[in-house]
Amino acid sequence: GNSVTQMEGPVTLSEEAFLTINCTYTATGYPSLFWYVQYPGEGLQLLLKATKADDKGSNKGFEATYRKETTSFHLEKGSVQVSDSAVYFCALQPYGGYNKLIFGAGTRLAVHP
Amino acid sequence: DVKVTQSSRYLVKRTGEKVFLECVQDMDHENMFWYRQDPGLGLRLIYFSYDVKMKEKGDIPEGYSVSREKKERFSLILESASTNQTSMYLCASSSQGRTSSYNSPLHFGNGTRLTVT
Repeated sequence: GNSVTQMEGPVTLSEEAFLTINCTYTATGYPSLFWYVQYPGEGLQLLLKATKADDKGSNKGFEATYRKETTSFHLEKGSVQVSDSAVYFCALQPYGGYNKLIFGAGTRLAVHP
Repeated sequence: DVKVTQSSRYLVKRTGEKVFLECVQDMDHENMFWYRQDPGLGLRLIYFSYDVKMKEKGDIPEGYSVSREKKERFSLILESASTNQTSMYLCASSSQGRTSSYNSPLHFGNGTRLTVT
């Protein structure tokens, strides 16, 4: 079946540190991959996406590359800010799947000044 | 901007009550979804709908039903609330129809935190 595994949090970093949040997936066919972010008290919003192997999604300084050979979609940012503190969800959409997303458990990021 | 509005931010209900969670979107989206969010489990799909009066079960439909009488509104119903349904409920919508493989983003509401006592 389809599933997403994320590294457990919380991840605690100092401002300007490098961020990596690991995400691996299991899927049949060719899924699309997403990172969503949830700020405190809000719903989820799309951060970035990649729809095929070797695609790189990027937004707001965050990047993730769709690696089919390692079935991974790790989220990275070179220099985090306090305002990046949030919960990050990796998700996959099976090909042709009505936009039904399968989410990972989420990783909480806390950035301190 | 797409807006997905959930009618209540917080709800407290008693065991056995019938509970309605309402969701409205303003962008004429075909697809609407109900997820529940629990710590350590991420988001799990309860039900979704790809058209008016159409619905399909997600991964955890037991104890829930849905209604979509109008395109913009998707209601989640807990027929007889139980304590294990205490959770955060998130509604989402998206613009793609059933035959498309293109991935439009899901737009989420801010969630309803339901407590069943």
